[in-house]
Amino acid sequence: GQQLNQSPQSMFIQEGEDVSMNCTSSSIFNTWLWYKQEPGEGPVLLIALYKAGELTSNGRLTAQFGITRKDSFLNISASIPSDVGIYFCAGHGSSGNTGKLIFGQGTTLQVKP
Amino acid sequence: KAGVTQTPRYLIKTRGQQVTLSCSPISGHRSVSWYQQTPGQGLQFLFEYFSETQRNKGNFPGRFSGRQFSNSRSEMNVSTLELGDSALYLCASSLVGGVANGYTFGSGTRLTVV
Repeated sequence: GQQLNQSPQSMFIQEGEDVSMNCTSSSIFNTWLWYKQEPGEGPVLLIALYKAGELTSNGRLTAQFGITRKDSFLNISASIPSDVGIYFCAGHGSSGNTGKLIFGQGTTLQVKP
Repeated sequence: KAGVTQTPRYLIKTRGQQVTLSCSPISGHRSVSWYQQTPGQGLQFLFEYFSETQRNKGNFPGRFSGRQFSNSRSEMNVSTLELGDSALYLCASSLVGGVANGYTFGSGTRLTVV
């Protein structure tokens, strides 16, 4: 199935460090979403981006919608142990493509206290 | 406000059997989407229902089907189970199916086929 190219695949960092991950696609998306998934749970929405070039923050998280509409990045500043989890980017295409999100493979984040 | 509820949480089935999974969306949400999550393929879209009608479908065989009831609750069914159907099945609900309102996921049903 179709997937976005998300990198890095995994990260092991020290508490307090900043983290950056990104997603690229060969297709244009109208919306980019970033989710976090913890063991035994479904993905939880962190940030939604609706316009090319948009930069949005949610606490220590900042995400940007690339101007080509084919990429997005997520930054986490001053990481803490509860940031541990798998982070997914997801793209949504045309308005007619209801309910369908295309996901990246995920970035597994581990934080060492 | 209750979240998206999926039942059961865990299920073990034998090859060849069929299975039905249930999803109750957030109250007032009318769109329900289903996803399959596996280590190899990641999160893959199965289908989306709105007002009891399937509006969108992913690239899965016909063994995967679903339906939505008038109260927006949705079920998905997998017939003639194969080992490769072992996965976490997630549903997501939204107000009308557009991203503007976001998609809220349930905790999933972990299906193991033996």
